[in-house]
Amino acid sequence: AQSVAQPEDQVNVAEGNPLTVKCTYSVSGNPYLFWYVQYPNRGLQFLLKYITGDNLVKGSYGFEAEFNKSQTSFHLKKPSALVSDSALYFCAVRDSGSARQLTFGSGTQLTVLP
Amino acid sequence: EAGVTQSPTHLIKTRGQQATLRCSPISGHTSVYWYQQALGLGLQFLLWYDEGEERNRGNFPPRFSGRQFPNYSSELNVNALELEDSALYLCASSTLAGGLFFGSGTQLSVL
Repeated sequence: AQSVAQPEDQVNVAEGNPLTVKCTYSVSGNPYLFWYVQYPNRGLQFLLKYITGDNLVKGSYGFEAEFNKSQTSFHLKKPSALVSDSALYFCAVRDSGSARQLTFGSGTQLTVLP
Repeated sequence: EAGVTQSPTHLIKTRGQQATLRCSPISGHTSVYWYQQALGLGLQFLLWYDEGEERNRGNFPPRFSGRQFPNYSSELNVNALELEDSALYLCASSTLAGGLFFGSGTQLSVL
């Protein structure tokens, strides 16, 4: 079985400061990892993914994530937060096998304070 | 390129009724996934369709069902609606690499 943990329900950061949203995962095989963002009353928007290759993945809107196999983590980062980054962020995982549905974490509400 | 489209945007039903939700995937995507996002419960996987067949389903009762049509669009049917079925229902389509692209969802309210 695959699972995702987002240990923080809420992250607050001041505008201009770096932000980190944490994610750890568990899969039986090689992981495919994803980050999505959700704005109020909207669907999820894809930010970035890790399939293979470089452990540092760059995505949309200046976000990046670092895959750490030994710590089974895939933390989302941004060097300088914007107020408009305030949203709900979801980490998701699937293994590289045939069961292609994603398992999502419970979400982390990011608030960037002006 | 059009994204994943879902209809209706909002749906209001009463207990015991049936609800039908519709989804059109991105052109070229053969897989459609349904997720339920209930308040405070995150995203729960409902159903996965690929090439017209149900490939997997989540831990939901049989009154949640669906189908995928030859043009890869999909329907989600919820029978005998209960109050706790009130949620945002999200449809997604995917490429082989597994990245999901989501629609804006159908907000189902059961009164």
